[in-house]
Order: sequence, then structure tokens, then C-alpha cells
Amino acid sequence: GPKVLQIPSHQIIDMGQMVTLNCDPVSNHLYFYWYKQILGQQMEFLVNFYNGKVMEKSKLFKDQFSVERPDGSYFTLKIQPTALEDSAVYFCASSPDRGFEQYFGPGTRLTVL
Amino acid sequence: TQTVSQSDAHVTVFEGDSVELRCNYSYGGSIYLSWYIQHHGHGLQFLLKYYSGNPVVQGVNGFEAEFSKSDSSFHLRKASVHWSDSAVYFCAVSASTGNYKYVFGAGTRLKVIA
Repeated sequence: GPKVLQIPSHQIIDMGQMVTLNCDPVSNHLYFYWYKQILGQQMEFLVNFYNGKVMEKSKLFKDQFSVERPDGSYFTLKIQPTALEDSAVYFCASSPDRGFEQYFGPGTRLTVL
Repeated sequence: TQTVSQSDAHVTVFEGDSVELRCNYSYGGSIYLSWYIQHHGHGLQFLLKYYSGNPVVQGVNGFEAEFSKSDSSFHLRKASVHWSDSAVYFCAVSASTGNYKYVFGAGTRLKVIA
């Protein structure tokens, strides 16, 4: 079936540094999402994105977070600066339209030291 | 506010057994209910979804789920499990208006003993 790719699979960085997580969504999908899963906890919604804009963000989407998808390339999540509590697995998802099932990538495990 | 409760963190069954994974939700409006499976080291894979109509929905690999409005439940079932069904299963709710973000349950880890 359709696949969402995420690059890198693992990222280790020092606190305070910037990190960019990349997502290659399913082609022709229009809606994009980021979710965060801290080890042992449930997955939580961060943000969704449509037509070049953030549509909704949760309280977990701090001011240090930003998303973009320049010119139909990767859908990215940037964290600048990172904090220890940002350590988690970040999942990207895309869907062809609202109300359709979301297709998830394998996740990027971010470790902030 | 939507909430999703998966009461069993771990379920262990033998291969060939039937299994039911429970999901209860709370939400006041019209919603989509979905189940996803996550094998270790992989992303979530869609199993099935309910919005309206027949309360029993069929999914991939022999899974089905039944919606109950009175119980606010959407339990997942399989008549005969295989060892490859061992994974974490997530129930998710999304409102049928707005941006359709998922609210996930905590997940149920299913272990199938061969």
C-alpha cells in the first residue's frame, strides 16, 4: 500500500541544538500530521497542515516547533532549540482528504541529551 | 474533549484462539472510530474504520470491530489469531468536523503464543 517515509530513523542531538525531522508523505495526499509518542505513553497529536498552513496545533506544539512543506517536497518538523522533554518518537501521517484514514510513517526516534 | 480508553494494556492468547481488544470512548458529537496496528519498529497500519451504517465493520487480515453507541465502545475482534498478529493495537477517535486529528488510546499489546 501507500507508504510514508521518515528521515532519519534515529537522531541524537545535544540540548539547545536545532533538529529537522523529514517526512515524505504519500503523493497526492493533501493533509499532513505530526504526532509525538514518549516512551511508554500514548501517541498524541501535535499539528496538522493543509494547503501550506497550520490548521490546528495542540498544546504540545510549543513555540520552538515549526512545520513547513516548501514546494511539495518533504513535510518537515523543526525544533529550535531542543529541550530534554522533546525526546520521543515523532510520527508523520498523511491523508488524501479530511475524513480519510491517515497513513503513518515508521517514526523518527529523537534523543535529546 | 474526546477521550479513548483501552482498558487492557496487555493481552496474551494462544495461536488459533479468538481475541477481543476493548476500546471505549467519550465524545459528544459525530465521530470516526478507527483501529491501527503497530508492529515493533514500524509505523501504524490502518485496520478498519467506522463512521455510520452497519455497526460491524470488517478490516484487513480477518479483523472486525463492532460499534455500540449505548456502550460507547468499538471493540476489535478476531476469530482465530496467528502469531504474526502479535503487535500493539491502537484505537483512535476523530471528530467528523474540523481537522480530523486522531485521539489515540494507550494501546493494547497483543502477544500470540505459537
